[in-house]
Amino acid sequence: GAGVSQSPRYKVAKRGQDVALRCDPISGHVSLFWYQQALGQGPEFLTYFQNEAQLDKSGLPSDRFFAERPEGSVSTLKIQRTQKEDSAVYLCASSNIEGLAGVIQETQYFGPGTRLLVL
Amino acid sequence: GQQVMQIPQYQHVQEGEDFTTYCNSSTTLSNIQWYKQRPGGHPVFLIQLVKSGEVKKQKRLTFQFGEAKKNSSLHITATQTTDVGTYFCAGHVLTGGGNKLTFGTGTQLKVEL
Repeated sequence: GAGVSQSPRYKVAKRGQDVALRCDPISGHVSLFWYQQALGQGPEFLTYFQNEAQLDKSGLPSDRFFAERPEGSVSTLKIQRTQKEDSAVYLCASSNIEGLAGVIQETQYFGPGTRLLVL
Repeated sequence: GQQVMQIPQYQHVQEGEDFTTYCNSSTTLSNIQWYKQRPGGHPVFLIQLVKSGEVKKQKRLTFQFGEAKKNSSLHITATQTTDVGTYFCAGHVLTGGGNKLTFGTGTQLKVEL
């Protein structure tokens, strides 16, 4: 399919373990976003890439969180020394600037998410 | 920091009843987007509003952007069971926000037969 894919879909980690979450954006999409969604909450921004450049990482909760997109396509979100409070769904979204009826619009297309449970 | 609140948090309606969710931002937005997330699913883009006072319709859904570009609403006429899910507004801050999209707290809609 042509949508955003993420892997793994589910991840159970022991506290202190490192995890790596992968995002395959829609081919050709310049922008890529990572969000964290806790149960019953809205997605919270973590970080944003334009091609390979990480332009905003203001939402990363601590230095244990690290994201990269080395070739401007696939992105990986790494969490080191996981803690219980890291348990959440991690969503990836990609987008492109579109011009619709004279209005610039950047629609974000979300992947299915990775559900992380830290025990 | 910027906050985007939605009310109500939950809404149960009988099929056929109308539903409205309200979105309020602490800061002025350059645009407002609405997403729907089905249980166990991911957010799916519904629409974007850009202009002050703008109103857009999609079949039974009516979206409105406030004059001050700090609030928005989504109204569903004659709800159906397929409308079940959580509705999120999300906005780009007018200045200094870059490409960061701030999501609202969401309104969970349940529709009973």
